[in-house]
Amino acid sequence: GDSVTQMEGPVTLSEEAFLTINCTYTATGYPSLFWYVQYPGEGLQLLLKATKADDKGSNKGFEATYRKETTSFHLEKGSVQVSDSAVYFCALSPNDYKLSFGAGTTVTVRA
Amino acid sequence: GEEVAQTPKHLVRGEGQKAKLYCAPIKGHSYVFWYQQVLKNEFKFLISFQNENVFDETGMPKERFSAKCLPNSPCSLEIQATKLEDSAVYFCASSQSSGFGNTIYFGEGSWLTVV
Repeated sequence: GDSVTQMEGPVTLSEEAFLTINCTYTATGYPSLFWYVQYPGEGLQLLLKATKADDKGSNKGFEATYRKETTSFHLEKGSVQVSDSAVYFCALSPNDYKLSFGAGTTVTVRA
Repeated sequence: GEEVAQTPKHLVRGEGQKAKLYCAPIKGHSYVFWYQQVLKNEFKFLISFQNENVFDETGMPKERFSAKCLPNSPCSLEIQATKLEDSAVYFCASSQSSGFGNTIYFGEGSWLTVV
């Protein structure tokens, strides 16, 4: 079945450091790919998405490129802030109504 | 409304009691989804609706769990005779359509604690 594997955390960084969270997927066909973020005490928020190969999703300084050849959708940010501390979830949707999530990566950014 | 509204935010139930959670989707959204988040991070799809019709219920436990989306009422997720393992955050989400590239918007979740 469809599944998402993302790097295990927790990840602890200093402010202005570079962040990468790896995400790979297994799916039949061509799913849409997503990154969701969950800030402490809050619900899930869509961070960015890509719907086809080579698409780049971007938002709030975060980027991820849909790589069909490596079945990956790694999340990157060049300079993190304390406010980026959250749990990040990679997800896919083969039919665009049922999301399959990765296990989540907890990111803590220290001042 | 402009956001998915879930109530209550927190609910505590004794084992065996009933729990009922509510969700108002974003205005104009035809699809509603329920997810269960256990063990802090693990998400499980439960059920989806297209308007008041069940669209996909492959994730719903066969016993004790039921859900409805009736016209002009919030959607609901009900757990009869709760068990300790039902303790989780239950997220509702909605979307405008089920087409390709569609975006699903989540509510803030309802935290159920079964004691």
